[in-house]
Amino acid sequence: GQQVMQIPQYQHVQEGEDFTTYCNSSTTLSNIQWYKQRPGGHPVFLIQLVKSGEVKKQKRLTFQFGEAKKNSSLHITATQTTDVGTYFCVNNLFFGTGTRLTVIP
Amino acid sequence: DTAVSQTPKYLVTQMGNDKSIKCEQNLGHDTMYWYKQDSKKFLKIMFSYNNKELIINETVPNRFSPKSPDKAHLNLHINSLELGDSAVYFCASSLGTGGEKLFFGSGTQLSVL
Repeated sequence: GQQVMQIPQYQHVQEGEDFTTYCNSSTTLSNIQWYKQRPGGHPVFLIQLVKSGEVKKQKRLTFQFGEAKKNSSLHITATQTTDVGTYFCVNNLFFGTGTRLTVIP
Repeated sequence: DTAVSQTPKYLVTQMGNDKSIKCEQNLGHDTMYWYKQDSKKFLKIMFSYNNKELIINETVPNRFSPKSPDKAHLNLHINSLELGDSAVYFCASSLGTGGEKLFFGSGTQLSVL
């Protein structure tokens, strides 16, 4: 199956700092989805990107799809404790390795 | 009403036993899935069913047998449980097979002793 790699695997930030997770593939992606999984919870869909170079925003979250459609990023501005969880990028049902975000109050 | 519900939430059993996990979705979706999340939080797709027909089987051991009596239900039966089967199993559904967003159940924590 296809594997998308995510970096970093873990990230600890102080509340109020920004956070970015990156998703990389060696092959062109048809689309990319992002999910968030709170500790003890289940993955919840955040967004889907389809077009080359696409940028979408949801409040403090900014999602980008690379021009070559081989990478994507999720940026959170001014993190809050509610942002804690693991963020996954997904391509065609295959989940990336995830980035676990801890926010220190 | 919960959109995707799976039971039980927790399952503790001995090696060698056979167990089943049930999943139901009330979203009217055509496609259902089983995912396995290991202790490192890696999520791997196991199976996908579309309108009761198996469309994805990601090299899962034969001890795992999904059954879909109708498109709203996808159960997972596991024979001869092994220690390595301990994980969280998530059921999910989507409208179709064209890369639509996935709706997940709350998971079943399986512990094999």
